[in-house]
Amino acid sequence: SQQGEEDPQALSIQEGENATMNCSYKTSINNLQWYRQNSGRGLVHLILIRSNEREKHSGRLRVTLDTSKKSSSLLITASRAADTASYFCATGNNDYKLSFGAGTTVTVRA
Amino acid sequence: KAGVTQTPRYLIKTRGQQVTLSCSPISGHRSVSWYQQTPGQGLQFLFEYFSETQRNKGNFPGRFSGRQFSNSRSEMNVSTLELGDSALYLCASSPQGSGNTIYFGEGSWLTVV
Repeated sequence: SQQGEEDPQALSIQEGENATMNCSYKTSINNLQWYRQNSGRGLVHLILIRSNEREKHSGRLRVTLDTSKKSSSLLITASRAADTASYFCATGNNDYKLSFGAGTTVTVRA
Repeated sequence: KAGVTQTPRYLIKTRGQQVTLSCSPISGHRSVSWYQQTPGQGLQFLFEYFSETQRNKGNFPGRFSGRQFSNSRSEMNVSTLELGDSALYLCASSPQGSGNTIYFGEGSWLTVV
């Protein structure tokens, strides 16, 4: 079973626009991590945000976490064609595993 | 620093056979975990090892097994392969496991025919 649910399932935007995707989860967590996956490749780690943090930035990426609503969002600003990929949120707890959502497929049009 | 290395990258097996996949974690990482990714089920946790001990196991049949060696390298084995075992198998490593950033390899694509 999957802990997280991403929304939307798919997103198509123009190059230069911002992309926002959301992740909701069901149980309490210690941390939440966002990953990117290009077609047929492995997962690339983007950001880890801990349960006591509300916002983190990394380059063009901004992640927020609202533990009261059990939700997180990933914002990609000024998108590029290279951002075309699937994005996954994964929740972590004290059980040595990540629970993944189904992912959001982002297509950036030139 | 080299990333997580998985071998082989691609393989095709026949139903009923067994397969062994190998994973070398990032140097210094002692936690290794395995995930299965399929279009239907998404990313599912298989198991996690730390210092040669399995600390958690996902909801998979006993045909799926793994182990970790003293140098932190890990292998997973699937016996009596079924068509439904066709998937991308991803290995990941982290320094301690929970609470750390977890880094993934490129995966091993298994096709069962």
